[in-house]
Amino acid sequence: NAGVTQTPKFQVLKTGQSMTLQCAQDMNHNSMYWYRQDPGMGLRLIYYSASEGTTDKGEVPNGYNVSRLNKREFSLRLESAAPSQTSVYFCASIGQGREKLFFGSGTQLSVL
Amino acid sequence: GQQLNQSPQSMFIQEGEDVSMNCTSSSIFNTWLWYKQDPGEGPVLLIALYKAGELTSNGRLTAQFGITRKDSFLNISASIPSDVGIYFCAGSGTYKYIFGTGTRLKVLA
Repeated sequence: NAGVTQTPKFQVLKTGQSMTLQCAQDMNHNSMYWYRQDPGMGLRLIYYSASEGTTDKGEVPNGYNVSRLNKREFSLRLESAAPSQTSVYFCASIGQGREKLFFGSGTQLSVL
Repeated sequence: GQQLNQSPQSMFIQEGEDVSMNCTSSSIFNTWLWYKQDPGEGPVLLIALYKAGELTSNGRLTAQFGITRKDSFLNISASIPSDVGIYFCAGSGTYKYIFGTGTRLKVLA
């Protein structure tokens, strides 16, 4: 049972390039999340999807778009990467009932 | 953006000592979660709390959901070197989970 899987693990972009971070969970969870983590800032919520077919903005959504492709997959897209988006990105998911948020292992993104 | 106030930011302790950290919020939460993060890894869930006043243990770890629903604390008893890492609290009202800024724990053998 893989849990929450993120790809890629590492990525280097030039300013202005675009890319999509992929996330998939195999726990049949309803809700999925994207966070970014910067030194000393903890984890900040970018976007979340409470259920398949819905997405909502979190604390820091500017410069990002998301797609809840199906119940398993939730992708994060950077249309025009900026150095300020250099960060570690984490995907997470949670099921109904007793709510425990599970994380993937992260994507380290550098924008030059 | 909204974040929880987590304290202390960092602490150095001797092996065998007890550790206490807490989180406070201006908002009421229905769920409190405590995580540990090791370098290069994603956060791993330690304890989940679902009711005001709830006290839950997981081995040497004990956490409580504050009566006001605006705070939570985590205690680690008899610390060992592998307790080193960053500890995060997270609170949720409905679907949004907001995280504290973390407590960096260093244990001196």
